[in-house]
Amino acid sequence: KNQVEQSPQSLIILEGKNCTLQCNYTVSPFSNLRWYKQDTGRGPVSLTIMTFSENTKSNGRYTATLDADTKQSSLHITASQLSDSASYICVVSAKSNDYKLSFGAGTTVTVRA
Amino acid sequence: DARVTQTPRHKVTEMGQEVTMRCQPILGHNTVFWYRQTMMQGLELLAYFRNRAPLDDSGMPKDRFSAEMPDATLATLKIQPSEPRDSAVYFCASGPRPGPYYGYTFGSGTRLTVV
Repeated sequence: KNQVEQSPQSLIILEGKNCTLQCNYTVSPFSNLRWYKQDTGRGPVSLTIMTFSENTKSNGRYTATLDADTKQSSLHITASQLSDSASYICVVSAKSNDYKLSFGAGTTVTVRA
Repeated sequence: DARVTQTPRHKVTEMGQEVTMRCQPILGHNTVFWYRQTMMQGLELLAYFRNRAPLDDSGMPKDRFSAEMPDATLATLKIQPSEPRDSAVYFCASGPRPGPYYGYTFGSGTRLTVV
């Protein structure tokens, strides 16, 4: 069964600090990996997408990395802001299925002033 | 910005009642999804439509859930009869073409509480 594991489950950081979220997956054959941000009471919004050949992708203060060999990804948030408080979900898709996504449980980030 | 519109945003109903959730996908998007999100299970796929045809509804309890797309601007998810275990946030998402690479846009969800 394709699985996506995220860590930590939650974290609290002070405004202005950096943090890194982890995602390990077993999805195969791998197609692409997205990081989504989900604000409370809203739907998930895509931050980055990476395919097999990409190992880094940035979107403003968000930088995602991918190691397809070890099946690991990370999302780094630089100079955190209060608006970064949200759940971050790692989503992986397989080449064998063009619509079913494997979702991680998410990491809840709380940024405090 | 184009967006997926879901109604209602919140719904509280009594066990046994029928619940209908509606979704207006982004104009021109030909793939539509229904997902359910709970604390325990996270996001789960309930139904998938392509060009209004249901291609996968294996994630839905068949005896009580039904999903339809009467036209390209409306997708519905019905629960009859509703049960307390159906309490969750239901998301609709749409995409411009098949394949996750092109990205899906999620609506803001319908928070359903069955008492």
